[in-house]
Amino acid sequence: DAGITQSPRHKVTETGTPVTLRCHQTENHRYMYWYRQDPGHGLRLIHYSYGVKDTDKGEVSDGYSVSRSKTEDFLLTLESATSSQTSVYFCAIRPGTGTGGSPLHFGNGTRLTVT
Amino acid sequence: TQLLKQSPQFLSIQEGENLTVYCNSSSVFSSLQWYRQEPGEGPVLLVTVVTGGEVKKLKRLTFQFGDARKDSSLHITAAQPGDTGLYLCAGGPLAGGYQKVTFGTGTKLQVIP
Repeated sequence: DAGITQSPRHKVTETGTPVTLRCHQTENHRYMYWYRQDPGHGLRLIHYSYGVKDTDKGEVSDGYSVSRSKTEDFLLTLESATSSQTSVYFCAIRPGTGTGGSPLHFGNGTRLTVT
Repeated sequence: TQLLKQSPQFLSIQEGENLTVYCNSSSVFSSLQWYRQEPGEGPVLLVTVVTGGEVKKLKRLTFQFGDARKDSSLHITAAQPGDTGLYLCAGGPLAGGYQKVTFGTGTKLQVIP
């Protein structure tokens, strides 16, 4: 168990409302990631972080922002939710220095529905 | 953007059969990982391959990394219902941005008892 907690686990929201998803880790790993998973697309990287206040965009970052003010928390915000953002969102951490093949450890996901 | 294409997308087989899943890219990867995901959970690492041509075995599962480090395969011998799940390959690029781990499109496997 990599000590990753995602909250909430399920959320239904209306188009145009802001939504924040939280990822909390208990092991002080430097690298944290947000992915979304949709049928036929696998997992796509939204944003990732390589330290407190250090973040970078992934391949599907439009419409999303992130913040990391503490090592243990990585927040994903949808400023104005759209139906295309209905998805399952996974947070992951990567132990170690990040070089080579260190694996990702995932949370159990947040299922977000935008109506 | 580095793309990883997996094939087949879906696979339904009888218990005891063998199968192979492929993961292909036009880009070179520093390493490649295979994950399995069950419904309602996040993916869990099965194996990491780092060296071109590398073969790793995990009980009935055999993983191979292509010589050119652009492709990989997962072979399951005598599949069992417990092998049912979504199989994902993932790779990190060779030069720069190695923290951006790219996932394949996934292979959904169903093993029928």
